[in-house]
Amino acid sequence: TQLLEQSPQFLSIQEGENLTVYCNSSSVFSSLQWYRQEPGEGPVLLVTVVTGGEVKKLKRLTFQFGDARKDSSLHITAAQPGDTGLYLCAGAPSGGSNYKLTFGKGTLLTVNP
Amino acid sequence: DSGVTQTPKHLITATGQRVTLRCSPRSGDLSVYWYQQSLDQGLQFLIQYYNGEERAKGNILERFSAQQFPDLHSELNLSSLELGDSALYFCASSASGITYNEQFFGPGTRLTVL
Repeated sequence: TQLLEQSPQFLSIQEGENLTVYCNSSSVFSSLQWYRQEPGEGPVLLVTVVTGGEVKKLKRLTFQFGDARKDSSLHITAAQPGDTGLYLCAGAPSGGSNYKLTFGKGTLLTVNP
Repeated sequence: DSGVTQTPKHLITATGQRVTLRCSPRSGDLSVYWYQQSLDQGLQFLIQYYNGEERAKGNILERFSAQQFPDLHSELNLSSLELGDSALYFCASSASGITYNEQFFGPGTRLTVL
């Protein structure tokens, strides 16, 4: 069973601060996705990283896939209240045609104005 | 708006009952996935259908079943409901031919079993 551990579980910061959340596993993934989920809504895909060492930027969000494709990080610069939500990482298993994503339990981010 | 629709939005029922949740995927998507989300377990994969056939199975209980119809909509049937089945149930869809499986989620059905 492939597990993804996310840290921290909870994060409460002030508007304008920077933060990094982590997604770690002992397993190799062919790709890793980051989602943001707001209360009562479904997760919304933010980005997919596929290549080891890959870095993708989405406005103030920077996503990195580890060189060994076992971990990923999400860095937010100058956080805004609109960034508040549950950030989930999800990995697609390496090899084969299994499309079953494994989700971490998420980091609940609160950005206070 | 992801393009994935789910009905109903909320469902309240009693233990022992049976309910059906419905999902319509994004236009053109052949894969449908069902997930259960609870506070303690997080987002748990239940089952996947691809073009009408079961493709992958996760932690789905025997009391639960699903199917995908020729028009590609899917239904998740939950029977002999227990209090612990109270959760958010999400449907997601993905396009065929994508090797790294980006999924688009619907707004979910909140099931409360009393």
